[in-house]
Amino acid sequence: GAVVSQHPSWVICKSGTSVKIECRSLDFQATTMFWYRQFPKQSLMLMATSNEGSKATYEQGVEKDKFLINHASLTLSTLTVTSAHPEDSSFYICSATKTGEDSNQPQHFGDGTRLSIL
Amino acid sequence: RKEVEQDPGPFNVPEGATVAFNCTYSNSASQSFFWYRQDCRKEPKLLMSVYSSGNEDGRFTAQLNRASQYISLLIRDSKLSDSATYLCVVNKANSGYALNFGKGTSLLVTP
Repeated sequence: GAVVSQHPSWVICKSGTSVKIECRSLDFQATTMFWYRQFPKQSLMLMATSNEGSKATYEQGVEKDKFLINHASLTLSTLTVTSAHPEDSSFYICSATKTGEDSNQPQHFGDGTRLSIL
Repeated sequence: RKEVEQDPGPFNVPEGATVAFNCTYSNSASQSFFWYRQDCRKEPKLLMSVYSSGNEDGRFTAQLNRASQYISLLIRDSKLSDSATYLCVVNKANSGYALNFGKGTSLLVTP
């Protein structure tokens, strides 16, 4: 159990396009989901914490108006990269924690979305 | 200072070798510790959680030293399939579940 599906896996689009990435927990409820970004040869960096039914919490340096997060249900969080530019090209990964599970339990990661902006 | 620091490697070892990775973390309030493995252009996959008493899972042994804020991973009898990047991961203190990832240590096991 504890499968997280992320869609799409790959996106290639023109500069200025907005791109939506979905993160779904398929067989469990996730009150909290996380969005990470990884540039080549760098570590995964937390962008924001997505909480079901409330506003996301963004890490310092991450523009909330640029990276829109919606967590409307216990199984779905979406990240929209608005007006994407080449510098937004990266590997975006979501993770989810099972509702009720404590923080000592590992998170469940999606497969990631490779975003390339031309 | 970065929150989680690792030697990036690469570590090139022959099959059957024993290899050890080290990691230090900066926030003494962190409570959860993990080793993840990441293959090229893939999502990270949990290798093992790390407990204060140390724990072993087959060929993999993890140790935690809270006083030194130091975590280690030992891989015995390396296999070709162990080639990957190993990520040291620590929860963000006071943020519950959010994680801080190290940059990763690259391992290449050769025939």
